[in-house]
Amino acid sequence: EAGVAQSPRYKIIEKRQSVAFWCNPISGHATLYWYQQILGQGPKLLIQFQNNGVVDDSQLPKDRFSAERLKGVDSTLKIQPAKLEDSAVYLCASSLVRAPGELFFGEGSRLTVL
Amino acid sequence: GQNIDQPTEMTATEGAIVQINCTYQTSGFNGLFWYQQHAGEAPTFLSYNVLDGLEEKGRFSSFLSRSKGYSYLLLKELQMKDSASYLCAPSNDYKLSFGAGTTVTVRA
Repeated sequence: EAGVAQSPRYKIIEKRQSVAFWCNPISGHATLYWYQQILGQGPKLLIQFQNNGVVDDSQLPKDRFSAERLKGVDSTLKIQPAKLEDSAVYLCASSLVRAPGELFFGEGSRLTVL
Repeated sequence: GQNIDQPTEMTATEGAIVQINCTYQTSGFNGLFWYQQHAGEAPTFLSYNVLDGLEEKGRFSSFLSRSKGYSYLLLKELQMKDSASYLCAPSNDYKLSFGAGTTVTVRA
């Protein structure tokens, strides 16, 4: 069974530029999450989707971050404009509706903002 | 919000036992998850407790006391490959909040 796919693995941009990350969850997983993990910290939930609806985006900085999951499968997270403090690993995860909390993570997209 | 407290680092010898404690405060609770994260890799699910008591899963066990807001992860017969960060994650309405993690270093 294929795991959660993410791209790109690494991205370096300058502040005020924009960046987009893509995630394809495990087939059949209705719930998709985007987490931000800053070095030395635990992952922080940015947004949670169930199918193509948003369940929780309370910690998403909506002035610069946006995410969508239009067809209820893959998802895109965008940052525009980026700030230095956005340097982090962006982790996408998915789960089955009947097993919430048992998350399967992708390898992450490491963002460096200069 | 959820305050999660776990030690930053622990060191143990191969073959030994290590216990990682986690205390949490949460406004709503429906389970406590533990994840393992090797350096430079994504977290992977280890265990889940929803009721008080001990859940055993091979060399790893996890304990929960809901009234005390306390959990621990017990790693037995430590192996070098167990060197990793262990993340405590209480669940509020099945939304996980992760602690900063405990980095366990296993020495030969």
